[in-house]
Amino acid sequence: NAGVTQTPKFRVLKTGQSMTLLCAQDMNHEYMYWYRQDPGMGLRLIHYSVGEGTTAKGEVPDGYNVSRLKKQNFLLGLESAAPSQTSVYFCASSYAGLAGADTQYFGPGTRLTVL
Amino acid sequence: RKEVEQDPGPFNVPEGATVAFNCTYSNSASQSFFWYRQDCRKEPKLLMSVYSSGNEDGRFTAQLNRASQYISLLIRDSKLSDSATYLCVVNPYNNDMRFGAGTRLTVKP
Repeated sequence: NAGVTQTPKFRVLKTGQSMTLLCAQDMNHEYMYWYRQDPGMGLRLIHYSVGEGTTAKGEVPDGYNVSRLKKQNFLLGLESAAPSQTSVYFCASSYAGLAGADTQYFGPGTRLTVL
Repeated sequence: RKEVEQDPGPFNVPEGATVAFNCTYSNSASQSFFWYRQDCRKEPKLLMSVYSSGNEDGRFTAQLNRASQYISLLIRDSKLSDSATYLCVVNPYNNDMRFGAGTRLTVKP
């Protein structure tokens, strides 16, 4: 099993450009999440999904959109990138929801710089 | 006030030392608690869940104090391989997680 994979690993964008980050998991997990990690702030939840075809907002959803067309994939889109979106983005998945105290498995991260 | 607060450290300790980290959370209705470990430029990985009665996993002991709204992690007999950032994580609502900024630990020979 590859676990949780993310593409790309690194990306540099100019302000106003768009891009999509791809997360894939091969563990048949129902729940998937997108976080961003900034220095001194810890990880913050952007969006999450509780199953194929569903998405929900997290703590910091503005400027991002997501889609979960297939159970194994969770896409994060930036329509018009801003320097404030420079961050490390982590995808995670879990078998059950977090209220059930289920373990989250994280991908290796995508380092995004917006100039 | 941050929802989850940790001492950022760094904690620099010699091999074999015992070190303790504390974490406080603001939402008294929080249900689930965890410690994750994150190595430099890597993804977080679950170290252990934290249960009301306290729990131990080898050299690691986690405690939860709901009345005071804090969580602790004790590492005994520190190893060089324990050097990492330790993240306190709290689940205040369904399918949501709040991460502390992390406490950095360096174990030196």
